[in-house]
Amino acid sequence: QSALTQPASVSGSPGQSITISCTGTSSDVGGYNYVSWYQQHPGKAPKLMIYEVSNRPSGVSNRFSGSKSGNTASLTISGLQAEDEADYYCSSYTSSSTLHVVFGGGTKLTVL
Amino acid sequence: QVQLVQSGAEVKKPGASVKVSCKASGYTFTSYGISWVRQAPGQGLEWMGWISAYNGNTNYAQKLQGRVTMTTDTSTSTAYMELRSLRSDDTAVYYCARESSTAEFDPWGQGTLVTVSS
Repeated sequence: QSALTQPASVSGSPGQSITISCTGTSSDVGGYNYVSWYQQHPGKAPKLMIYEVSNRPSGVSNRFSGSKSGNTASLTISGLQAEDEADYYCSSYTSSSTLHVVFGGGTKLTVL
Repeated sequence: QVQLVQSGAEVKKPGASVKVSCKASGYTFTSYGISWVRQAPGQGLEWMGWISAYNGNTNYAQKLQGRVTMTTDTSTSTAYMELRSLRSDDTAVYYCARESSTAEFDPWGQGTLVTVSS
């Protein structure tokens, strides 16, 4: 099964907003509201930022928000800060017989 | 606080096996599943499989079927992942993560680097 499709890189200036897309199929993103987003800084373990499409775990800044339309989920970061520079991965539950969860290929966010 | 602590780095020869542990604390171990995710150098995240800490049911990624075994020891709140017949492309950081019923992973262990080299 192919990974979910994310842009390889996005960039923005401090204070701006950016959006990262995550495109799947009706067997994963489009079929279930079980989309999550993770932030990973170099050399660190991933950190959950959004779950069930749009929910934020306790302690995650409200500058991070998630949404979904059809087979595409999106992560929006508003008021960009230097510490937001990291890799971001989406994931989704999948009904595929070969997998249980599928990840996106990851997006490198650069804060200019 | 909820925490997963993994065993240390390993260096293995091709064809060998590796067993990574993941000790949970701060929550009721049997109330969640544990997924294992790996990340090859410079690459993205790859889901490897899941085990229910409640009843030991497993679900493995098809590409690893036959080479991977996931187990738990509820007496010590520890999950294990064993990968056999190691190849060079199994070189990666291996993470365990607590998985909820809605398929999110939180928290993650700190990662265990497994290097496969002759």
